[in-house]
Amino acid sequence: GNSVTQMEGPVTLSEEAFLTINCTYTATGYPSLFWYVQYPGEGLQLLLKATKADDKGSNKGFEATYRKETTSFHLEKGSVQVSDSAVYFCALSPMNRDDKIIFGKGTRLHILP
Amino acid sequence: DTEVTQTPKHLVMGMTNKKSLKCEQHMGHRAMYWYKQKAKKPPELMFVYSYEKLSINESVPSRFSPECPNSSLLNLHLHALQPEDSALYLCASSQDQNTIYFGEGSWLTVV
Repeated sequence: GNSVTQMEGPVTLSEEAFLTINCTYTATGYPSLFWYVQYPGEGLQLLLKATKADDKGSNKGFEATYRKETTSFHLEKGSVQVSDSAVYFCALSPMNRDDKIIFGKGTRLHILP
Repeated sequence: DTEVTQTPKHLVMGMTNKKSLKCEQHMGHRAMYWYKQKAKKPPELMFVYSYEKLSINESVPSRFSPECPNSSLLNLHLHALQPEDSALYLCASSQDQNTIYFGEGSWLTVV
């Protein structure tokens, strides 16, 4: 079946540090891949997405590349800010649109000033 | 810009009350969703409406009753809830059932 595994948190970094949050998936065919961010007290916001192998999604300084060979979609940012503190969810949308979207468990990120 | 609007933002209700959560989108999306999210967990799918028809019910208890009056609106009627139903309820919409866009959520507390 389809699944998403992302690194356990919390992740604590200092401001301006480099960020990587790992995400790997299991799925048949070519799913679409997403990162969502949830700030405290808010809903989920779509951060970026990629719909085919080797696509790179990017937004607000965050990037993730769809790697079919390693079934991964790791989230990266070169220099994090305190305002990036949030929970990040990796998600997969199967090729069969009738199948539901699968979310990872979420990674809580704390950025220290 | 994508926008899904949910009301109310906060709701406190007793176990014998009847209340409703409301959701609206004006993006012309054909699919709308209800999710439930408990603290420190990912969202869990409850219902999916496609072209105003219920297409998925994830074995949700009947005390939760969804309604889709038209293509822009989605309601979740609540009756005889339990304290364990306290959670963040998220509405979402999608044009292609691939990329989904969430609202800000309604925080529900059952007392």
